[in-house]
Amino acid sequence: EVKLVQSGAEVKKPGESLKISCKGSGQEFPNYWIGWVRQMPGKGLEWMGIIYPGDSDTTYNPSFQGQVTISADKSIGTSYLQWSSLEASDTALYYCVTFYRAGQSVPGAFDVWGQGTVVTVSS
Amino acid sequence: DIQMTQSPSSVSASVGDRVTITCRANEDIGRWLAWYQQKPGKAPKLLIWGASNLQGGVPSKFSGSGSGTQFTLTISSLQPDDFASYYCQQTDNFPWTFGQGTKVELK
Repeated sequence: EVKLVQSGAEVKKPGESLKISCKGSGQEFPNYWIGWVRQMPGKGLEWMGIIYPGDSDTTYNPSFQGQVTISADKSIGTSYLQWSSLEASDTALYYCVTFYRAGQSVPGAFDVWGQGTVVTVSS
Repeated sequence: DIQMTQSPSSVSASVGDRVTITCRANEDIGRWLAWYQQKPGKAPKLLIWGASNLQGGVPSKFSGSGSGTQFTLTISSLQPDDFASYYCQQTDNFPWTFGQGTKVELK
């Protein structure tokens, strides 16, 4: 089972850029779909998007399309979530997850979660 | 987007109680539903996938049922470690969506 380790907490100012990371252990990382989930303070979970590191195939939640960029470097087993211009409303806890399903027609779920990265955007 | 609605939003229960949480989808998602548990300050943990399949290592006191648009998560004999928030999620159609969460609190 892959383990996900995320980069540390960040404090940024509005308008700044940011790239946070999620490193997967194990040689199977390129074969796992990696997703990103946002949790705003005191709120629920929101799926942002998902990437297949093997070929960088990416699907975004339309609510986040254009607001963030999800990428991956399969050679180092790492996925990234980046912003070009942060806003105060980006203040949240961000989780990376693996999406696993046993087969094409088998329901999948987020079976492994990173520890989360807190992003604080404040002037 | 598929809307997932959980009820109740919170429930007060005692140790040993049986708790049932409902999740409704506004369209048919088959059995493409998962349940997660989140404790304060911790990442969520997968409990149930495919509506009723227990994730490995999850105690059998957790069970899921349902298909289509209505699903339930049942926790039999609530223990102190079970007081947490629970979320349902559909992975049938993009964008994948979560319910708003149900907080299980100690009465």
